[in-house]
This record gives sequence, structure tokens and C-alpha cells, in this order.
Amino acid sequence: KAGVTQTPRYLIKTRGQQVTLSCSPISGHRSVSWYQQTPGQGLQFLFEYFSETQRNKGNFPGRFSGRQFSNSRSEMNVSTLELGDSALYLCASSLVGSGRYNEQFFGPGTRLTVL
Amino acid sequence: AQKVTQAQTEISVVEKEDVTLDCVYETRDTTYYLFWYKQPPSGELVFLIRRNSFDEQNEISGRYSWNFQKSTSSFNFTITASQVVDSAVYFCALSVWDNYGQNFVFGPGTRLSVLP
Repeated sequence: KAGVTQTPRYLIKTRGQQVTLSCSPISGHRSVSWYQQTPGQGLQFLFEYFSETQRNKGNFPGRFSGRQFSNSRSEMNVSTLELGDSALYLCASSLVGSGRYNEQFFGPGTRLTVL
Repeated sequence: AQKVTQAQTEISVVEKEDVTLDCVYETRDTTYYLFWYKQPPSGELVFLIRRNSFDEQNEISGRYSWNFQKSTSSFNFTITASQVVDSAVYFCALSVWDNYGQNFVFGPGTRLSVLP
């Protein structure tokens, strides 16, 4: 079974631009979560999508948004990029069942550099 | 609120030494899951183990073992006879369910360097 895939793997943008990152979960997984990883803040939860609905959201400004499609693929968008948005963005997918705890399987990440 | 603490920022050991990575968690939920993930230099987090709050049985998998103690809210990870390939950042994570879904909280990570 193919793992979680993320595209692109590397991105360089300038301040003020916007960016869209893509994540394809493992087949059959309906939950997709996004994380931002930086040396200073560690791994921080951005949001989780399930069945095309944002179900949970971390403490990030509205410039960070996402969506999920009917095939469970997800995109994350960051508008008006700031230098501090430079980070590794990780996507994770998991099987979902209410009340069930499932490990998350992570993709390789997209490394975003904002100049 | 949930919190995971990994007090060891960096650890260096010489190959074949045993090493224990500490993890202390905080949660008011009685039902939760604990995880360990490994992040090699390539960046992708690799799932190592999941343990639920009702199962305090320790687990061994090859050179890896985990010690879960609810009394001290700890979930420590030991690598026996460490190898250079074990060099990575290791994250402990806590998962609970709230009204919105599954909520993962990661610790800051411990960078392990195994020297030949």
C-alpha cells in the first residue's frame, strides 16, 4: 500500500506570496492532519480534515487554511507569506472511527522557505 | 489541556550503549493514547509504537522497549545496544478525543546521536 505523499517536496517563495501544498493520504484513510515543524516551536498541529470537513484546528492565524476533497486528498494554503512561515509542513493520515484511537502515518513533508 | 515533555533535548551515546529517552505527559482525560515516532534526517516521521491508557504492560520489540507508568505519567523509550542507524529525533506524542476529533500533541523531541 502506498504511503502518504506530499507535493511539492521543496518550495521557495517570497514574502507576501501565497502557497498551496498537497497531501494524498494512504488509500482508505479518511482523516488528514497538517503540522508545522520549526526548530523553535517543534511540531505544531495546524488542522485536521475528515470527510471534507475541518474537524479540529490549532492555534494559527487565518492565513493558514485547508480543504479536503471527496477522495480524501487535502490541500493546505498559506496566504501573505511571512518569513516565520518557513518550516517543514507535514501531513498525516489515519483511519478514523469515532472513539477509536489510530496512529497517524506521516508523509515526507514539504519544506517551505520564505525569502 | 494536554502537554508532553521530553526533557532531554540532545543525547549522544557510543554505539552499543543502551539509551533511554524520557517522556512525561499531562492530561485530565482518563482515556488516551501515547505514541513514539522517529524522525530520521530525511524528515519523515516513522511510527514506532502506540499504547492506550488502560494498558500499562511494557513492550519489547527487538532492541526497542517501552516503559509506561501511569503513576508517574511517563512513557519512556529504551534502545538497547544502540546503532548508528538509530540516530534521529524521537518524538513522544499524546492523543485524546475531544468534541472535534482526535487531538495529537507532540513533545519537543529528543535528538539522539549514536557515534561509531
